[in-house]
Amino acid sequence: DAGITQSPRHKVTETGTPVTLRCHQTENHRYMYWYRQDPGHGLRLIHYSYGVKDTDKGEVSDGYSVSRSKTEDFLLTLESATSSQTSVYFCAIREGLAYTEAFFGQGTRLTVV
Amino acid sequence: GIQVEQSPPDLILQEGANSTLRCNFSDSVNNLQWFHQNPWGQLINLFYIPSGTKQNGRLSATTVATERYSLLYISSSQTTDSGVYFCAVDAPYGGSQGNLIFGKGTKLSVKP
Repeated sequence: DAGITQSPRHKVTETGTPVTLRCHQTENHRYMYWYRQDPGHGLRLIHYSYGVKDTDKGEVSDGYSVSRSKTEDFLLTLESATSSQTSVYFCAIREGLAYTEAFFGQGTRLTVV
Repeated sequence: GIQVEQSPPDLILQEGANSTLRCNFSDSVNNLQWFHQNPWGQLINLFYIPSGTKQNGRLSATTVATERYSLLYISSSQTTDSGVYFCAVDAPYGGSQGNLIFGKGTKLSVKP
């Protein structure tokens, strides 16, 4: 199994508070991604990184920021959590682009009350 | 953008039965993956199969890239096969690098 660890696995937080989710990989893969999974919407890309300090927005980036100061860690921050950000968040990694597999972490279930 | 459609949306099987899941995509792709999301929510890689046929135990997959579809075969199904099966393809060039576009999935329930 690919070495990807997400933390925390579950979190309940209050509206308006900042929240940071962590994705840690031991594969030394260049590309890292944050997705959210919601009923009726499937998995949608929030942000991704193509190297240390290199990040870009995905389809649903509003209200989220990311940082990648080391190859192995990709952090997702909800600047001021809202109920609409209640979701399951997945991190993914890829070694390269074309002709490479993506591997996913176990997911983080976030509830904003 | 590229469209990924999976069928059927739901499937109920008796243990021991065989099944075929289908994934159609609207544009040429250079990556296609099949995942199993188990009842605990974990996304498990099944196949990386941009073209051709692969087999892994009771599961096999075939992608016909020129006709823009992929099939996942499950033989002698077991209750542990239950969950949602997703296919996903790379977003086209010009989009987010390496982003996967997912189908809506096929929810499989295998009854004992």
